[in-house]
Amino acid sequence: GQQLNQSPQSMFIQEGEDVSMNCTSSSIFNTWLWYKQEPGEGPVLLIALYKAGELTSNGRLTAQFGITRKDSFLNISASIPSDVGIYFCAEPSYNFNKFYFGSGTKLNVKP
Amino acid sequence: SAVISQKPSRDICQRGTSLTIQCQVDSQVTMMFWYRQQPGQSLTLIATANQGSEATYESGFVIDKFPISRPNLTFSTLTVSNMSPEDSSIYLCSYTGIASEKLFFGSGTQLSVL
Repeated sequence: GQQLNQSPQSMFIQEGEDVSMNCTSSSIFNTWLWYKQEPGEGPVLLIALYKAGELTSNGRLTAQFGITRKDSFLNISASIPSDVGIYFCAEPSYNFNKFYFGSGTKLNVKP
Repeated sequence: SAVISQKPSRDICQRGTSLTIQCQVDSQVTMMFWYRQQPGQSLTLIATANQGSEATYESGFVIDKFPISRPNLTFSTLTVSNMSPEDSSIYLCSYTGIASEKLFFGSGTQLSVL
C-alpha cells in the first residue's frame, strides 16, 4: 500500500503554544484528509483538502495541501488542553475504494 | 454526515471464542470498511464490506478469521473468530458517503482477549 510518513511522532507542548505537524506521501494524490482521535473514540474528520496549494481552516486548525501534491501540513494555533489526542493524515486511493493512514502524531498539552 | 453506531463499545473475551461487532448507519451509504487499530498503532484496513457479496480482504486478513456481512446499505457486521490475545485491538467501522473522498468512523470496539 501507499506509504504515508507523518511527523513528529509525538509532541509535548505548553497550553497556548502553536503546533505544526506534517505528512508526506510516496505518490501524488488528489485529496488529503486530517483526523483527530481521542481516547476511546473513533477518528473524527477535521479538514479535507482537494487541490495543490489549498489552505483551509477549521477554527484554530489550518491545513495546507503541498504544491508538490506529496505533502500536507496541519497547524494548531494557541493550543488548549482539549486538543490532546492523536492526529492522523489520510489519503484515498484513486478510485476511493481504500484509505491510507499515516502513523499519527500524538499531541500532549500541558495546562 | 450520517450517524454511525457501533456495538459493543468494548468487550473482554476468552481465548478461542468469537465476537460479532455490529455497525449501523442511519442512512444508505456507498461503501463500508472495517479497520483494526492495535495498541499505539495506526489504522489498518481489514476489508471492504460489499453489499450483497463477499467482502474484499486486505493482505494478511482472511474470511475464516474475520467473516463480514453486509446485508444492506446501512448495516454490516465483523466477526473476530477463534480469538487469541493477539486479536486485542480496537476495531473500527467506517463508511464513505455520496462524496466518496471522505471517510467517517464509528466510535470503535475495544476488544481484550484473555
